[in-house]
Amino acid sequence: NAGVIQTPRHKVTGKGQEATLWCEPISGHSAVFWYRQTIVQGLEFLTYFRNQAPIDDSGMPKERFSAQMPNQSHSTLKIQSTQPQDSAVYLCASSLGWGRQNTLYFGAGTRLSVL
Amino acid sequence: GDKVKQSPSALSLQEGTNSALRCNFSIAATTVQWFLQNPRGSLINLFYLVPGTKENGRLKSAFDSKESYSTLHIRDAQLEDSGTYFCAAEAVNTNKVVFGTGTRLQVLP
Repeated sequence: NAGVIQTPRHKVTGKGQEATLWCEPISGHSAVFWYRQTIVQGLEFLTYFRNQAPIDDSGMPKERFSAQMPNQSHSTLKIQSTQPQDSAVYLCASSLGWGRQNTLYFGAGTRLSVL
Repeated sequence: GDKVKQSPSALSLQEGTNSALRCNFSIAATTVQWFLQNPRGSLINLFYLVPGTKENGRLKSAFDSKESYSTLHIRDAQLEDSGTYFCAAEAVNTNKVVFGTGTRLQVLP
């Protein structure tokens, strides 16, 4: 079991460009969570899916951020027109997803730097 | 305001001593998880708790859902325990997992 895989590990974009971050959850896990970590804001919840359906996206900045989970094996987080304040480590986690099986397993993260 | 608050925000310990970290929730939580983020940035799950207590080696954690808090006790602290400890609460209605503000722990030789 390779764990949760996030790619790329590092991404540098220019202001105004688009960034797409990828997450492959642990096989058999039905829930996928996205978080953003910065020194100032800490670990912020962005969104989560269960069985590929979006359940709660209350943490997503509405205008430029979107997340998809087209199949069981991957989820993407897309940021359009990136801004310097989007610079952060974006973390993906997966879990079995139900009741007492919601232990989160995190990927190594994608460090996004917007110049 | 913050829905999950941790205290203290930072702590230095001598190797071999004990400490307690606390997490207070302003949301109704069904479960709590504790994580250690090591200096490389990896988040490692330490405990997954329903109301009650669990113990694993030198670590012991408790979760009181009625009083809305959780604790993590570290016994006989070792250098490798250094890092940032996060608690995370699973919200009752949505199963969203909300993280606390973290406690940065430094164990000194």
